[in-house]
Amino acid sequence: GIQVEQSPPDLILQEGANSTLRCNFSDSVNNLQWFHQNPWGQLINLFYIPSGTKQNGRLSATTVATERYSLLYISSSQTTDSGVYFCQVDSSYKLIFGSGTRLLVRP
Amino acid sequence: ETGVTQTPRHLVMGMTNKKSLKCEQHLGHNAMYWYKQSAKKPLELMFVYSLEERVENNSVPSRFSPECPNSSHLFLHLHTLQPEDSALYLCASSQDSKTGTYEQYFGPGTRLTVT
Repeated sequence: GIQVEQSPPDLILQEGANSTLRCNFSDSVNNLQWFHQNPWGQLINLFYIPSGTKQNGRLSATTVATERYSLLYISSSQTTDSGVYFCQVDSSYKLIFGSGTRLLVRP
Repeated sequence: ETGVTQTPRHLVMGMTNKKSLKCEQHLGHNAMYWYKQSAKKPLELMFVYSLEERVENNSVPSRFSPECPNSSHLFLHLHTLQPEDSALYLCASSQDSKTGTYEQYFGPGTRLTVT
């Protein structure tokens, strides 16, 4: 089946810093999403991005489907950005999550 | 209510109990999903329903029994669970297509503890 790898597994930032999170996948996919899981367990949609680039405020994402990776950029990080970031890929109902990047933003 | 709701939010049950988790979506979607999130493991897809028909069942033990009476409601019936079934159970919904899913929206989850 499809393998999804996220890097780095853990990341500590000082408030205001920028970061890039990566999601690699082993086969072609129909869709890709990025989520943020807050400390209470709620998964919050960030981007639905099977290809191309999208931006939403301080966050942006790029998926290069032909090279099987996606990047999530966080600029000017804030303490509220802390949590776990997951990418999820979909290949005809094979919905696979990566193991996540745990981000801690220190004030 | 908006989005995807789940009840109860917390559940403690013994191994001989029978309980049910409920999920309701208010987004007009036609597909619903159950996921399991255990400590230190990636989120695992358990079941997928599209237009109230089960289209995916990822080798889940029979002590978990899903039910989708209509496109807005999804249940997970639990029976004789094991302590290793303790986890966060997440429900999601999306609009469906023949090639897969569109954007998924998740509920807040039910944190289950099996004693």
